[in-house]
Amino acid sequence: GAVVSQHPSWVICKSGTSVKIECRSLDFQATTMFWYRQFPKQSLMLMATSNEGSKATYEQGVEKDKFLINHASLTLSTLTVTSAHPEDSSFYICSARVRGRANTGELFFGEGSRLTVL
Amino acid sequence: QKEVEQNSGPLSVPEGAIASLNCTYSDRGSQSFFWYRQYSGKSPELIMFIYSNGDKEDGRFTAQLNKASQYVSLLIRDSQPSDSATYLCAVKRAQTGANNLFFGTGTRLTVIP
Repeated sequence: GAVVSQHPSWVICKSGTSVKIECRSLDFQATTMFWYRQFPKQSLMLMATSNEGSKATYEQGVEKDKFLINHASLTLSTLTVTSAHPEDSSFYICSARVRGRANTGELFFGEGSRLTVL
Repeated sequence: QKEVEQNSGPLSVPEGAIASLNCTYSDRGSQSFFWYRQYSGKSPELIMFIYSNGDKEDGRFTAQLNKASQYVSLLIRDSQPSDSATYLCAVKRAQTGANNLFFGTGTRLTVIP
């Protein structure tokens, strides 16, 4: 159980375009989802926390107007990279906690989405 | 001081040997500790978690926690080439709120056939 699906797994886009990445919890409800970014040979960097039905909480240094997060249901969160530029090229990973098991701290990760901006 | 510190490696061990991965954390009140494995180009997958002082064994993996020393480790027995990956240590702090899980930078392990 606790499967998180992320789509697309990879995307190539032109500079200036917007890209949407979806994160779905397939067999559980996730009141909270997390979006991470990972550059080559670096660890996960938390970008924002997505809460169902409310605004996302962004980490310091992450532009909320550039990285739009929507968590409209208990099973879906989306990250939209607006006006993408080459420096936004990275591996974006979502994760979720199982509703009712938040105290354990355990995270389940999606497969990740590799974004390349030309 | 970083929340969670790991030796970035690379750590190389021969096949069949024991690989020892170490992690220290700064918040003494941290509650839960996780080890994730991440293959190149893939997302992390949970290997083990531990809450209490002492050892926790699961197959070839043993997690060791020493809260007094703020130290958590992962031992991999009978290492296999398929264990070659980056191992991320994650720590759940005692603070309330959702943003309380901190990751180390990871240790890259290579098991040599």
